[in-house]
Amino acid sequence: GEDVEQSLFLSVREGDSSVINCTYTDSSSTYLYWYKQEPGAGLQLLTYIFSNMDMKQDQRLTVLLNKKDKHLSLRIADTQTGDSAIYFCAEKTGGGADGLTFGKGTHLIIQP
Amino acid sequence: NAGVTQTPKFQVLKTGQSMTLQCAQDMNHEYMSWYRQDPGMGLRLIHYSVGAGITDQGEVPNGYNVSRSTTEDFPLRLLSAAPSQTSVYFCASSYSRDGTHNEQCFGPGTRLTVL
Repeated sequence: GEDVEQSLFLSVREGDSSVINCTYTDSSSTYLYWYKQEPGAGLQLLTYIFSNMDMKQDQRLTVLLNKKDKHLSLRIADTQTGDSAIYFCAEKTGGGADGLTFGKGTHLIIQP
Repeated sequence: NAGVTQTPKFQVLKTGQSMTLQCAQDMNHEYMSWYRQDPGMGLRLIHYSVGAGITDQGEVPNGYNVSRSTTEDFPLRLLSAAPSQTSVYFCASSYSRDGTHNEQCFGPGTRLTVL
């Protein structure tokens, strides 16, 4: 079955880069997503990558995809206090609209 | 556009009570879905709909009913609430750009407590 795994916590110093990792098991994944959830709020789509790409950059965000190892990462450059949130990795498999499979989320903690 | 809206924001129920969580979107999205979020569990899909009149079960459908009479609305019904249904519920909607990609927009969530 489908499974998406993430570390539960990551602590970084303000100004450093944060790298949040995710592994997935379904090789038929078509799109992979990163969502951000701030306390008490809903999920905000940060970025996504199509499975035939290996990198996507969007301002401070860089997504790397290693399809062979089924490994996805999100790098946040120059981490700020506003980046403190839970980051969810999610995969979309096949076609249709049967929803996304989410990881449990990585809680990013920013140290001053 | 208001995006995806959910009501109520908070709700407390007693075991056995019924209620409906409302979800609406004004983006003319075909696809809508309900997730529940529990601590340490991530989000799990309850039910989804690919268009008006069409619904299907997700990963954790037991205890929940849905209907989709219009494109805009996708209510989630709890017929007899149980403490195990205490959770945060998110509604999401999405459009299809190329038949395979669905970028999901999430509502702000409903926090439900069942005593």
